[in-house]
Amino acid sequence: SQKIEQNSEALNIQEGKTATLTCNYTNYSPAYLQWYRQDPGRGPVFLLLIRENEKEKRKERLKVTFDTTLKQSLFHITASQPADSATYLCAPTLSNSNSGYALNFGKGTSLLVTP
Amino acid sequence: DGGITQSPKYLFRKEGQNVTLSCEQNLNHDAMYWYRQDPGQGLRLIYYSQIVNDFQKGDIAEGYSVSREKKESFPLTVTSAQKNPTAFYLCASSIEVRGLDTEAFFGQGTRLTVV
Repeated sequence: SQKIEQNSEALNIQEGKTATLTCNYTNYSPAYLQWYRQDPGRGPVFLLLIRENEKEKRKERLKVTFDTTLKQSLFHITASQPADSATYLCAPTLSNSNSGYALNFGKGTSLLVTP
Repeated sequence: DGGITQSPKYLFRKEGQNVTLSCEQNLNHDAMYWYRQDPGQGLRLIYYSQIVNDFQKGDIAEGYSVSREKKESFPLTVTSAQKNPTAFYLCASSIEVRGLDTEAFFGQGTRLTVV
């Protein structure tokens, strides 16, 4: 069955360092992958989308890579700030799940940036 | 302002009662979605709709029902058949489901507690 795996353990880093979050998927080949940020008690907010023919995408302090051979996406936040503390969700698009083409999400990785 | 609105933010119901969660969007999006989120779990897709008067089951549709009579509205009914209804419910919309590279916009969620 198809799986989306994100680090289940929270990631704690010091302010100013680069945070790297991992999203692995198995048993399918998504054409796109999206990353979202979710704060406690709120809905997710879209951050970045990367297509399978794009190896890397950047937006301000954010960088996403997409390795279709490794079936993995990495999400980097450079010069991290305490305000970056949140849960980050990846959403590879699935084309043959029970959900049709609807977005399916990983469980998310919690990031805590300490001053 | 354009956006997607869920109401109410908090909802309490007695066991055995049906309850309807509201979701309205003024983004002129064709696709709308309902997700459920439990502590430590990711977002699980309940139902989605690609167009008015049409909707499809997601991965955990049992015990839920939806309607899509208007483009702007996609209410979710949690029926008494849902065994564990207490959860955080999120509604989302996007331009279209099969526009796989379009972002999803989420509401702020409804926290349902069944006692």
